[in-house]
Amino acid sequence: EPEVTQTPSHQVTQMGQEVILRCVPISNHLYFYWYRQILGQKVEFLVSFYNNEISEKSEIFDDQFSVERPDGSNFTLKIRSTKLEDSAMYFCASRDLMGGYEQYFGPGTRLTVT
Amino acid sequence: LAKTTQPISMDSYEGQEVNITCSHNNIATNDYITWYQQFPSQGPRFIIQGYKTKVTNEVASLFIPADRKSSTLSLPRVSLSDTAVYYCLVGPYTGGFKTIFGAGTRLFVKA
Repeated sequence: EPEVTQTPSHQVTQMGQEVILRCVPISNHLYFYWYRQILGQKVEFLVSFYNNEISEKSEIFDDQFSVERPDGSNFTLKIRSTKLEDSAMYFCASRDLMGGYEQYFGPGTRLTVT
Repeated sequence: LAKTTQPISMDSYEGQEVNITCSHNNIATNDYITWYQQFPSQGPRFIIQGYKTKVTNEVASLFIPADRKSSTLSLPRVSLSDTAVYYCLVGPYTGGFKTIFGAGTRLFVKA
């Protein structure tokens, strides 16, 4: 069964550093998403991406964040200058053209900012 | 996106059927109802999606009354491994660009 993969599984970085979180969505999917979940809290939508551009973004997704689909398989989330409050699990998800809210999530990257 | 309301938590015992109800009074005509399951430290997992009446798959059933202002996720004969958070989402089938998860329902299954 196809699945969404994410790397790394855990990233530790110092405040102010740039991080890039990587995702490989399911191959025939067309919509891509990033979410974050701070420990003990709910899943928060960050951004959706379709046809090589951002479709929607939340208030959390400020100028420190960017997304990119550099090739036909990878989907990345970059945080330019990490803050302590960026520490969270980051989940990537994808869905196909007519999937509605049927999204497939990756296992997540745990980001720890020290 | 329609606002949803779910119980914060529920307890059950192994082997019982569990029903989790979600209220969505302002559901729109073209909205679908989707349920996810999340285990600790894992991403949410799609369980089931429906528009009206009843939908069943190998994991769960989804019951939607005629007015569609609520829906019930039914988990037959739960086991300890069904302990998780369950989320109800409501939105258009052809949309889904912005997905808002609520607090969900924490189901705890006891032996």
